[in-house]
Amino acid sequence: AQKVTQAQTEISVVEKEDVTLDCVYETRDTTYYLFWYKQPPSGELVFLIRRNSFDEQNEISGRYSWNFQKSTSSFNFTITASQVVDSAVYFCALSDVYNQGGKLIFGQGTELSVKP
Amino acid sequence: DSGVTQTPKHLITATGQRVTLRCSPRSGDLSVYWYQQSLDQGLQFLIQYYNGEERAKGNILERFSAQQFPDLHSELNLSSLELGDSALYFCASSKVVGTGANVLTFGAGSRLTVL
Repeated sequence: AQKVTQAQTEISVVEKEDVTLDCVYETRDTTYYLFWYKQPPSGELVFLIRRNSFDEQNEISGRYSWNFQKSTSSFNFTITASQVVDSAVYFCALSDVYNQGGKLIFGQGTELSVKP
Repeated sequence: DSGVTQTPKHLITATGQRVTLRCSPRSGDLSVYWYQQSLDQGLQFLIQYYNGEERAKGNILERFSAQQFPDLHSELNLSSLELGDSALYFCASSKVVGTGANVLTFGAGSRLTVL
């Protein structure tokens, strides 16, 4: 079955700390895509990154970095030198290619609180 | 502004009532997705339309229905509302469908409260 697990429900850090959000997925597809979305307190869902299953290179965008490891079915997200504005709920998602619709299956989300 | 417009932003109604949530996709996007976000269920996929036709269905209740019109806007109809239907309903859109590479662009959501 297609499934995404974010075991960390809540994380609290102090500003400037590094923090890693874990994501583990299950899929029967050989080609698939993984995503991270951010949901700030205002409520909207903001796209952060898309990664396909053939590209295991780590990606860095400013203070954000992503580590994709197919061997462990994980797609972890690290924020370096966290800031208060990073406080949000972060969702990892998997594309459901099998059903041809391309809909996203989301994990339960990790609520990150960055305190000044 | 993501380009996906949802109305209304907030809606309060009573049990047993019927409501309609509206979504206008981003310009150029042909596919519309509806998601429900609640505290206990998280983000649950409801239904997807592509260019007016239903493409995929998730755990959508029989009391709920949706459609996508020729101008590509979509409506989600919720009837015989129950307290448990209180949630944030998101609409998302994407350009293509079926490849899995879709980046879904989400609207700001419609918060439904059933009293």
